[in-house]
Amino acid sequence: NAGVTQTPKFQVLKTGQSMTLQCAQDMNHEYMSWYRQDPGMGLRLIHYSVGAGITDQGEVPNGYNVSRSTTEDFPLRLLSAAPSQTSVYFCASSNSPGYGYTFGSGTRLTVV
Amino acid sequence: AQSVTQLGSHVSVSEGALVLLRCNYSSSVPPYLFWYVQYPNQGLQLLLKYTTGATLVKGINGFEAEFKKSETSFHLTKPSAHMSDAAEYFCAVIPSSGATNKLIFGTGTLLAVQP
Repeated sequence: NAGVTQTPKFQVLKTGQSMTLQCAQDMNHEYMSWYRQDPGMGLRLIHYSVGAGITDQGEVPNGYNVSRSTTEDFPLRLLSAAPSQTSVYFCASSNSPGYGYTFGSGTRLTVV
Repeated sequence: AQSVTQLGSHVSVSEGALVLLRCNYSSSVPPYLFWYVQYPNQGLQLLLKYTTGATLVKGINGFEAEFKKSETSFHLTKPSAHMSDAAEYFCAVIPSSGATNKLIFGTGTLLAVQP
């Protein structure tokens, strides 16, 4: 049971490039979320999904797109990377949010 | 909107001393409450959670937290710190009404344990 898998672990992008951060879970969880972690700011919610085909914005959605075509996968797309998007990104999933989320190991993204 | 406040971005204790990390939430309706731990260069691991029932919650690694509705608090404690407890700790909430799937984090407390 792999849990929540994020790829890649590290990425360096140039300003204006696009990329997709991958997130997959094998626990059949309906709820999935993307967070970014920045020093002194905790984790901030970017986008979340309550099931395949259903997504919504979190508190910092600008510059990011998501889609959820399957229960297992929840990719996060950066269409035109900016230095302000340099951060560590975490994906999380849950079958019952009131009992907590399981987190992936993160993707460290640097935009130069 | 629901918010979480962690008092003290850095806490330093001696090995063997009491650990107390503070967390207050803003809702008048008690939310679901969580403490997560993050070791260096790793993801987040659930330490403990409060949903309903007993207000003193025991978690992994000897940590516990007490839900106090009157104080809107959910402070994390451990009687005796170990060097291995050095990590960043995050308090988080899920509102028990409204947006009941959004996990909202505090800004974290970095715990240092001195020998």
